[in-house]
Amino acid sequence: DTAVSQTPKYLVTQMGNDKSIKCEQNLGHDTMYWYKQDSKKFLKIMFSYNNKELIINETVPNRFSPKSPDKAHLNLHINSLELGDSAVYFCASSQDSLALYEQYFGPGTRLTVT
Amino acid sequence: GQQLNQSPQSMFIQEGEDVSMNCTSSSIFNTWLWYKQDPGEGPVLLIALYKAGELTSNGRLTAQFGITRKDSFLNISASIPSDVGIYFCTGTASKLTFGTGTRLQVTL
Repeated sequence: DTAVSQTPKYLVTQMGNDKSIKCEQNLGHDTMYWYKQDSKKFLKIMFSYNNKELIINETVPNRFSPKSPDKAHLNLHINSLELGDSAVYFCASSQDSLALYEQYFGPGTRLTVT
Repeated sequence: GQQLNQSPQSMFIQEGEDVSMNCTSSSIFNTWLWYKQDPGEGPVLLIALYKAGELTSNGRLTAQFGITRKDSFLNISASIPSDVGIYFCTGTASKLTFGTGTRLQVTL
């Protein structure tokens, strides 16, 4: 059974478009995260939600808007895509916000903006 | 902000060799963790360390939480081809911070 799943796996789009990436976890975890991994493989946290509430919001352009319809889902919507948004985006989850170190990651979504 | 530097950045080793990598921080951490990322996949937790000085093993992997709480190392003994990947150290104080990664390549 897939623990943390993301769709799509690959996303190629043009500058200026709006796109969404979906994430679902079936682990019963309370906390979910979005990370961005750049071309140098550096991983940086973007957002974290605990029970549908935003608890971490790093310095991310407001073109990025996370949405958590329930605690098993955390979607990422990106408006007006730019070339610099090209990266691999990882969703992750942990049992709760105190267990933020034991995170389970999804397989990633490779976003390419042309 | 918090920074985690890993060394080496990359290494090529032969199958059967032991590997050692480390991670240093500019600030104190309460927890150290080591993750491995296989090509095309998300990171997977290998070892978690919760106390300064703690030494923990997981199969061929051994990791230690530095006494100063500002560093950690990971050793892999008798490397095999499936050890290939990027190894990330992470530390937690108020939030999870990822290191810069060590890319490991194993040749036969």
